[in-house]
Amino acid sequence: RKEVEQDPGPFNVPEGATVAFNCTYSNSASQSFFWYRQDCRKEPKLLMSVYSSGNEDGRFTAQLNRASQYISLLIRDSKLSDSATYLCVVNIMNSGGYQKVTFGTGTKLQVIP
Amino acid sequence: DTEVTQTPKHLVMGMTNKKSLKCEQHMGHRAMYWYKQKAKKPPELMFVYSYEKLSINESVPSRFSPECPNSSLLNLHLHALQPEDSALYLCASSQDQRLAGRNYNEQFFGPGTRLTVL
Repeated sequence: RKEVEQDPGPFNVPEGATVAFNCTYSNSASQSFFWYRQDCRKEPKLLMSVYSSGNEDGRFTAQLNRASQYISLLIRDSKLSDSATYLCVVNIMNSGGYQKVTFGTGTKLQVIP
Repeated sequence: DTEVTQTPKHLVMGMTNKKSLKCEQHMGHRAMYWYKQKAKKPPELMFVYSYEKLSINESVPSRFSPECPNSSLLNLHLHALQPEDSALYLCASSQDQRLAGRNYNEQFFGPGTRLTVL
């Protein structure tokens, strides 16, 4: 089993739709969780950190479920500009005392007019 | 200033060349990262420096040699690369790799260097 897994998609959704992505992680000791978006041929950009209690930023809501070991991202009222690849990132402390970063495989979203 | 800069933007090199990629940040971050990204794949972690010391090396071949001259600069020296090393090389920084917690581990990425090895 991969450390961090995502459905690669693509998710093709009409403008205005609500879409949700999940990301599962294998190590229960994981400590920090993030969502990044990456546009084609660009660098990843931080979309939002994921708080234990869940958090919202405008049309975006992130949730963490430690019991089932997954994080989710909900996008409401999709815009054409939301078309991108969404990457989840999980951090865990390694044996050397450093945070090790693991990227998920990414989920591609295409918002259609 | 929340910017990470990388030079050059593009690089074409032969298998016998020696070249270097450069990365700079002025956010006071103490962790800096090198990633390799192939098309349609997620970034793969290569190296991490924490307080200018190498903290993580993900078993990267020795033809890639990282260097952290100071807390703002990160270099990646390339020598005798193979065509399969062609990729986008991304640099990132975060506040502090030794601490758990969202704020310390949010990463900011540079625009990358697109490398082609002939």
